[in-house]
Amino acid sequence: DTGVSQNPRHKITKRGQNVTFRCDPISEHNRLYWYRQTLGQGPEFLTYFQNEAQLEKSRLLSDRFSAERPKGSFSTLEIQRTEQGDSAMYLCASSLQGKRTQYFGPGTRLTVL
Amino acid sequence: AQSVTQLDSHVSVSEGTPVLLRCNYSSSYSPSLFWYVQHPNKGLQLLLKYTSAATLVKGINGFEAEFKKSETSFHLTKPSAHMSDAAEYFCVVSEPYSGGGADGLTFGKGTHLIIQP
Repeated sequence: DTGVSQNPRHKITKRGQNVTFRCDPISEHNRLYWYRQTLGQGPEFLTYFQNEAQLEKSRLLSDRFSAERPKGSFSTLEIQRTEQGDSAMYLCASSLQGKRTQYFGPGTRLTVL
Repeated sequence: AQSVTQLDSHVSVSEGTPVLLRCNYSSSYSPSLFWYVQHPNKGLQLLLKYTSAATLVKGINGFEAEFKKSETSFHLTKPSAHMSDAAEYFCVVSEPYSGGGADGLTFGKGTHLIIQP
């Protein structure tokens, strides 16, 4: 399978715990994006990387959210001190530099109890 | 700033009849426009895209969309609906990158397509 993969697919956690999600982009894609999708809404852009550089992070929802892409390949999204309002689907997408088409992974569904 | 308005939250059609999902956009630049489909418990799949070439764009599974700059619209159509088309459809806009950075895609709120047997 050469598409975007995300792990885990589902995560249930208790309020106040930290969670980390992983995204593996399409191998030749150097841009990687994170989105959040809440119930009944379209995905909302959070942040993006070009190679290992995080070029846009002002849309991250709070300072509890952070993302890394240390070697320019896979990326992680961490949420610290989770809140019930963080319950959502977290989507990852990748693209080639200079191309606007983004390819999405299946998402990680987070439930905060 | 860019924005997308999907004019119908739900559309219901009978199998074998035409589908029309409406989308209007707002953009300060020459945008790229996309339609994505999301089936239950599955990822977003690209249906088609407009990137300033032909204004009538053909996508997968028999879907088409026409870019109308004068109307700022990008409506999605299909001549004959199939049961497997039942899903959530998102109209998406992307503006040219500026200032050396890049923006994410801006999604509409989605249209839920229901296919009646």
